[in-house]
Amino acid sequence: QVQLQESGPGLVKPSQTLSLTCTVSGGSISSGAYYWTWIRQPAGKGLEWIGHIYSSGDTLYNPSLNSRVTISLDMSKSRFSLHLTSVTAADTAVYYCARGYRVAFTVSFDPWGQGTLVTVSS
Amino acid sequence: DIQMTQSPSSLSASVGDRVTITCRASQSIYNYLNWYQQKPGKAPFLLIYAASNLQGGVPSRFSGSGSGTDFTLTISSLQPEDFATYYCQQSYSTPPFTFGPGTKVDAK
Repeated sequence: QVQLQESGPGLVKPSQTLSLTCTVSGGSISSGAYYWTWIRQPAGKGLEWIGHIYSSGDTLYNPSLNSRVTISLDMSKSRFSLHLTSVTAADTAVYYCARGYRVAFTVSFDPWGQGTLVTVSS
Repeated sequence: DIQMTQSPSSLSASVGDRVTITCRASQSIYNYLNWYQQKPGKAPFLLIYAASNLQGGVPSRFSGSGSGTDFTLTISSLQPEDFATYYCQQSYSTPPFTFGPGTKVDAK
């Protein structure tokens, strides 16, 4: 059973880079046609898709964040990472990693990591 | 971007009630629609994919229907563990994948 676990600093200063890692266990990150995904949720608000990296290494990002986001894949360590530059208080949120996959044409996200709170503050 | 709306934004119900939540897309998304359940402090959990397909392990009291722009999630007989927030998500036109704002189901 595949499990995902986020890790990284819980506090980032404004204008700096937010960096998180998602470690995948119970399955190979390189097998199958999966979209290794980052999604965030500000406190008390809804879900925002940040972007994903496909098993092939191709990436797709939310246009609203495109210039600030990089997602990378480290197959040797079975993990993928998120880097978000020039953060502001608006980037404060719980960040989730998730596995996306296509079934019956639609792409859904399952499973998810437990989430990690990142606060942007000086 | 395709905008997703949900109604109601919240509802109060009792155990045993039939609950229906509506999700609407700003343009046709055919059946590229998924539903998630999220409990406080927890990650979302996939309930239904492709509008009407129950994810493995999800109780059969959950069902989904719809296509095009209008979709519904129904809980046929609400159980205590079903009090949560429910989100719809489209994957027809990306990027970005977009979620609805959520519907909170709480106890009456």
